[in-house]
Amino acid sequence: GQQVMQIPQYQHVQEGEDFTTYCNSSTTLSNIQWYKQRPGGHPVFLIQLVKSGEVKKQKRLTFQFGEAKKNSSLHITATQTTDVGTYFCAGLLHDYKLSFGAGTTVTVRA
Amino acid sequence: ETGVTQSPTHLIKTRGQQVTLRCSSQSGHNTVSWYQQALGQGPQFIFQYYREEENGRGNFPPRFSGLQFPNYSSELNVNALELDDSALYLCASSHTGGLTEAFFGQGTRLTVV
Repeated sequence: GQQVMQIPQYQHVQEGEDFTTYCNSSTTLSNIQWYKQRPGGHPVFLIQLVKSGEVKKQKRLTFQFGEAKKNSSLHITATQTTDVGTYFCAGLLHDYKLSFGAGTTVTVRA
Repeated sequence: ETGVTQSPTHLIKTRGQQVTLRCSSQSGHNTVSWYQQALGQGPQFIFQYYREEENGRGNFPPRFSGLQFPNYSSELNVNALELDDSALYLCASSHTGGLTEAFFGQGTRLTVV
């Protein structure tokens, strides 16, 4: 089973609105990575967070790593149609296994 | 493009057969990981190879096996195929395992009938 849990599974967003997807692990992570997968495509790396409490921004995307290194979030502001896809968090466990969450599938209403 | 290529892109096999999937890693990457992605699910870690040695394995039975070659390309072999093995199989290459970003290939869509 998945050691990294991700919610919500689906996010239907009106264009221009903000949303957040959350990722939780039962164990401390060495790092957390975020990927985006477009329909019919493969996961594409977005960012990696390593330090406790780390926050990184990429244009309209803000990524956070929790203080205990067990949770993370991705916040997207002013959603655009290009944001459509499935966003996965992936936590690196102590034995170097990358454990993916089930993903949040985002659809955008124009 | 990531520089990671997988072959074939699609494959149909019969239950009980064996299959070999191939992956060419990105230049300079010494680590290859294989994932199984069922429809609507996140990628599930199968195993990882670092410098031709398996150095991590997920919860998959022994009929899932692999190899990594001196040029760091890799194969995934699945014996005694079951219907539940139908999935997208993804290969990802990276430098020094999961410590750095993984570059995924486009995947092989395996259908077992």
